[in-house]
Amino acid sequence: AQTVTQSQPEMSVQEAETVTLSCTYDTSENNYYLFWYKQPPSRQMILVIRQEAYKQQNATENRFSVNFQKAAKSFSLKISDSQLGDTAMYFCAFMKEGAQKLVFGQGTRLTINP
Amino acid sequence: EPEVTQTPSHQVTQMGQEVILRCVPISNHLYFYWYRQILGQKVEFLVSFYNNEISEKSEIFDDQFSVERPDGSNFTLKIRSTKLEDSAMYFCASRTDRGRGQPQHFGDGTRLSIL
Repeated sequence: AQTVTQSQPEMSVQEAETVTLSCTYDTSENNYYLFWYKQPPSRQMILVIRQEAYKQQNATENRFSVNFQKAAKSFSLKISDSQLGDTAMYFCAFMKEGAQKLVFGQGTRLTINP
Repeated sequence: EPEVTQTPSHQVTQMGQEVILRCVPISNHLYFYWYRQILGQKVEFLVSFYNNEISEKSEIFDDQFSVERPDGSNFTLKIRSTKLEDSAMYFCASRTDRGRGQPQHFGDGTRLSIL
């Protein structure tokens, strides 16, 4: 079974700083997909970024980028020029090719301070 | 941008009562899901639904749970006889069937409190 681990329960940075959230996963699959979701206090789960395991190029979405290391089974999220609105719970999630379910990590609570 | 909508936002129910949580997935999506998040814990998969039948379910999704798409737009989760440990946030999600590894889009969740 796949597992996803986020080793940082909480993080806090100043506005405009860069922050990196870590995520590791365990799988024997070769083809899969990785996601970062954001859950602000309003509680909706919002997709931040998506990575396909068979693509070597790291995904980027504006200020959000990932460092995907397939051999190390690592999928970290970098937020550049952090903003107050980035304050949220961030979940890393895994989905194997052809599967239906997402497997989530425990989450990292990120606080951006003014 | 289209959204997944869930009602109610908060449901309080007596233990042993039946509860139905409602979701309206994004209109052109064909895969539907329920997840739950017990306070302070991980988001856990409950069930996936495609082509009017369950395509996968977790160990959590026992005989007390059922899902239905009664009218082509709503997607419901029913808990037949609620227990205290059913208290959680329940999220509905949907995704398109076009392309591989498409992301699931989540609703705001329903907070279920069992007394």
